[in-house]
Parts: sequence; C-alpha cells; structure tokens
Amino acid sequence: EAGVTQFPSHSVIEKGQTVTLRCDPISGHDNLYWYRRVMGKEIKFLLHFVKESKQDESGMPNNRFLAERTGGTYSTLKVQPAELEDSGVYFCASSPPGSSYEQYFGPGTRLTVT
Amino acid sequence: KQEVTQIPAALSVPEGENLVLNCSFTDSAIYNLQWFRQDPGKGLTSLLLIQSSQREQTSGRLNASLDKSSGRSTLYIAASQPGDSATYLCAVKGDKIIFGKGTRLHILP
Repeated sequence: EAGVTQFPSHSVIEKGQTVTLRCDPISGHDNLYWYRRVMGKEIKFLLHFVKESKQDESGMPNNRFLAERTGGTYSTLKVQPAELEDSGVYFCASSPPGSSYEQYFGPGTRLTVT
Repeated sequence: KQEVTQIPAALSVPEGENLVLNCSFTDSAIYNLQWFRQDPGKGLTSLLLIQSSQREQTSGRLNASLDKSSGRSTLYIAASQPGDSATYLCAVKGDKIIFGKGTRLHILP
C-alpha cells in the first residue's frame, strides 16, 4: 500500500511568487493534516480536513495560505504571495476515520523563499 | 493551552546502552500520544502510538509509557545501535496535535 506522498520534494521561489504544494493521502484516510516546521522550531499544526471539509484551520498563519481538498482525495496548499518567513518544511499526514488513530506522515516539501 | 516539552534536547550515548527519552505535556485531556523518529532530510516515521486509556506500548527494542495524570511519557530504547541515531519527536493529540521540539539522539559506534 502506498504511503502519503507529497510533491514537490523541494521548491525554491522568490519572494512574492506563488507556490502550490500537493499531498496525496493514503487511500481511505478521511483525515488529512498539514503541518509546518520552520528552522529551529517545533512542527506546528496548520489545518485538518475531514474528507473535503475543513475541520480546524486555526493553525493557518494568515490569508496568504489557502488549502483545498476537492473531492476529499488529494489536498493542495497554496502560498500567495510567498514571504521569506514562509521557508520551512511542510508536512502532510493522514489517518483513518475517527479521532484516535495514528497519523502517517509524508516525506515533506522543503520550501525555500529567497 | 497544551505545551509539550522534550528533555534532553540532545543526547549522545555509546552503542549498546539502554536509554530513556522524556516527553511532558501540560494538559492531560488527550486522545493519544505518538512517538516519531525523523532522519535528516526525511519525513516522520511513526514508532509507537499510545491511546489515552493505555499505559504502554512495545515494538521490538522500543517501549513507550504514558502517565496521563502526571503529563509524562517516556520512550525507552534497549541495546542502542548506531542506526537509532535520529531526532525523536513526541506529539500529543487533544483538540489539536502538538509536537515537542524533539531530542537529537546520537549513538556512538
């Protein structure tokens, strides 16, 4: 069974540009999470989808970040326009329906904004 | 507000020794606690998941315990090997999922 996949693995963009990150969860996992780790800090929660609905988006830093999960399958996280402080590693995770299951993480997308 | 602390931040031990990593949290209203390892430049690999009703979980040389009332979890690694070198993270799931900053473990050959 395929794990959580993320694309691209690494993105380098200039300040002011737009970047879209993609996450494909494990098939059948209704829960999909986005996290971010900036340099020297702990991994922080961004948002949580249950199927196509945003269950909790309290961790989204500001309105430059837009997450979607059309059809409840893959998800995208768009940053527009990107700022220097957006640099970091963006992780996606998924888990089966319910609240007590372990999360399976993707390899992450390393975003560098110059 | 939930806070998760991992001590120590870094640890170096000779190969073959047993070791304990610590994770503490401030709010005991949790669903579960999960331990991960992260290798440099890689994603997170789940090691053990302890539900709030459980006291411990074991997988091979790893044993994780959970004491909800005191807000503590430990990850015990037996007979450490150089391949165990990585950053170990604990994450607590309540209303939100909160991660600790991790412990960087280096096993000396």
